[in-house]
Amino acid sequence: QQQVKQSPQSLIVQKGGISIINCAYENTAFDYFPWYQQFPGKGPALLIAIRPDVSEKKEGRFTISFNKSAKQFSLHIMDSQPGDSATYFCAAGTASGTYKYIFGTGTRLKVLA
Amino acid sequence: GAGVSQSPSNKVTEKGKDVELRCDPISGHTALYWYRQSLGQGLEFLIYFQGNSAPDKSGLPSDRFSAERTGGSVSTLTIQRTQQEDSAVYLCASSLAVSGNTIYFGEGSWLTVV
Repeated sequence: QQQVKQSPQSLIVQKGGISIINCAYENTAFDYFPWYQQFPGKGPALLIAIRPDVSEKKEGRFTISFNKSAKQFSLHIMDSQPGDSATYFCAAGTASGTYKYIFGTGTRLKVLA
Repeated sequence: GAGVSQSPSNKVTEKGKDVELRCDPISGHTALYWYRQSLGQGLEFLIYFQGNSAPDKSGLPSDRFSAERTGGSVSTLTIQRTQQEDSAVYLCASSLAVSGNTIYFGEGSWLTVV
């Protein structure tokens, strides 16, 4: 199965709160999991990525948690800011010269000032 | 170039006309991808190039859609006899196919068919 399921579809968080977006995949061959951030009118930009040899990766306020046995991974945005308001996409692929990423359907995050 | 460049950034065309969308990938990137994003929707894979060949065309929605890549660089996505349902943002991306995994997207070509 190639699907990547992403939830929630939309999310509203107060400034300073924690935003959590979840993704689940089915294909155990996937071994590279990036998150993309997209602002209106712009193309998606890589935010952070993880490989399954670690359970967590943190970059600034952004953290990916990875659960290999459950085939799930999530993005946590700590101390969410209005500037974080964007659409977030998770994706899954293979590290060995993959040809196609499978993207989740996206989560529209709005952080209230 | 520094990033993936797409043109035109915006295109309004009449139903039934043909359109060409251009993508100039990051220099040295051998893999090139086209995605489509309808208003408020996710990323729909269209086609992928490795060099000048397209191993995966599975996402092209109909035979009105075609793409080519020349010189292992610039790619053109052509939509013939455009329909209103073709209105979307067409995103191009590129990556180092062999040793890299990160896909870098352009800002897209916004197509409106009226």
